[in-house]
Amino acid sequence: DAGITQSPRHKVTETGTPVTLRCHQTENHRYMYWYRQDPGHGLRLIHYSYGVKDTDKGEVSDGYSVSRSKTEDFLLTLESATSSQTSVYFCAISELDRAGSYNEQFFGPGTRLTVL
Amino acid sequence: DAKTTQPPSMDCAEGRAANLPCNHSTISGNEYVYWYRQIHSQGPQYIIHGLKNNETNEMASLIITEDRKSSTLILPHATLRDTAVYYCIVRVARIQGAQKLVFGQGTRLTINP
Repeated sequence: DAGITQSPRHKVTETGTPVTLRCHQTENHRYMYWYRQDPGHGLRLIHYSYGVKDTDKGEVSDGYSVSRSKTEDFLLTLESATSSQTSVYFCAISELDRAGSYNEQFFGPGTRLTVL
Repeated sequence: DAKTTQPPSMDCAEGRAANLPCNHSTISGNEYVYWYRQIHSQGPQYIIHGLKNNETNEMASLIITEDRKSSTLILPHATLRDTAVYYCIVRVARIQGAQKLVFGQGTRLTINP
């Protein structure tokens, strides 16, 4: 299994509080991603990173910010959590092969976030 | 818009081949077909991908039609541990080398003893 950990694995918080989720990898992969998974929507991309300090928005980025100050860590922050952000959050990593083609994405175990 | 159509659910007997179809009639010439699966509440797991030729690895085989408008994932000897939701993905935007996968609803495959 790819070395990806997420912390915390479970969190309950209240509306309006800030929350930071951490994704840590030991694979030295260049690309990192944050997804959320909700019933009826499948997985949706929130933000992704293509290098240290290089990030961009995905399809559902409103209300979220990210930071990547070093290769191994990708942080997802909810500045002021809302109940609509109750979800399961998955981190993923990927790297290009020597030909510059795609390699698969490896996913972390997920963080279950509940916003009351 | 995931650009793929998959049956919502399928059943297969343990030990038999599981054939999971996917329609992607609007696929572009340079878009790959990817398959991932998600077992219960775990993170998705990559299975296989291909462009136009059939592909095989230790997990599965991928058959892509000549017109590339559909594909079939084959698990040759399904086991109970293959029970999962299987996602066929063709929309992959490439930004600075990053893959922007777009997941649909997938097929819930149940392997029965």
